[in-house]
Amino acid sequence: TQLLEQSPQFLSIQEGENLTVYCNSSSVFSSLQWYRQEPGEGPVLLVTVVTGGEVKKLKRLTFQFGDARKDSSLHITAAQPGDTGLYLCAGLPTSGTYKYIFGTGTRLKVLA
Amino acid sequence: KAGVTQTPRYLIKTRGQQVTLSCSPISGHRSVSWYQQTPGQGLQFLFEYFSETQRNKGNFPGRFSGRQFSNSRSEMNVSTLELGDSALYLCASSLGGAYNSPLHFGNGTRLTVT
Repeated sequence: TQLLEQSPQFLSIQEGENLTVYCNSSSVFSSLQWYRQEPGEGPVLLVTVVTGGEVKKLKRLTFQFGDARKDSSLHITAAQPGDTGLYLCAGLPTSGTYKYIFGTGTRLKVLA
Repeated sequence: KAGVTQTPRYLIKTRGQQVTLSCSPISGHRSVSWYQQTPGQGLQFLFEYFSETQRNKGNFPGRFSGRQFSNSRSEMNVSTLELGDSALYLCASSLGGAYNSPLHFGNGTRLTVT
């Protein structure tokens, strides 16, 4: 069974702090997405990474795909209350099946 | 471009009943996936349809079924409801043809089984 482990599970920080969320697996993925979900809504896509070692930036968010395409990280600089939410990573296995594997999720709360 | 629309948003059913949930994908998207989200298990894959065919299936009992119509709209049916079926059911659409075509989610149907 392919699993994507996210850490930490919960994170409560003050506005202005930096943080990193990790997404790890023993499996190789064709691509990996990061989503953010707010209460009462569906997950919203933040980024897709495809190439091993790829780094993408979205304002204060920096995403990195591991060289071996088995892991990824999300770094938030100077977190704001608007960053509060559930962060999910999702990988598409290389097996050819179009069946995304979702991470266990990281619930982030940024306090003003 | 309209997003993914799921109806209804909320549903309350009794054990033993059945329920049908609906999903209208983004125009042009041919793949529709269904997920069950619970606090304890996270997002669990139910099944994926592409051009009216079930292409992938998760590890859920046969009480969970789905279908996709020629206009790519999809329905999910759960029969003989159990208390443990209470969850947020999310539908996601995508182009489905490339390994990097991401999922676009609806806001879900919150099902409560009493």
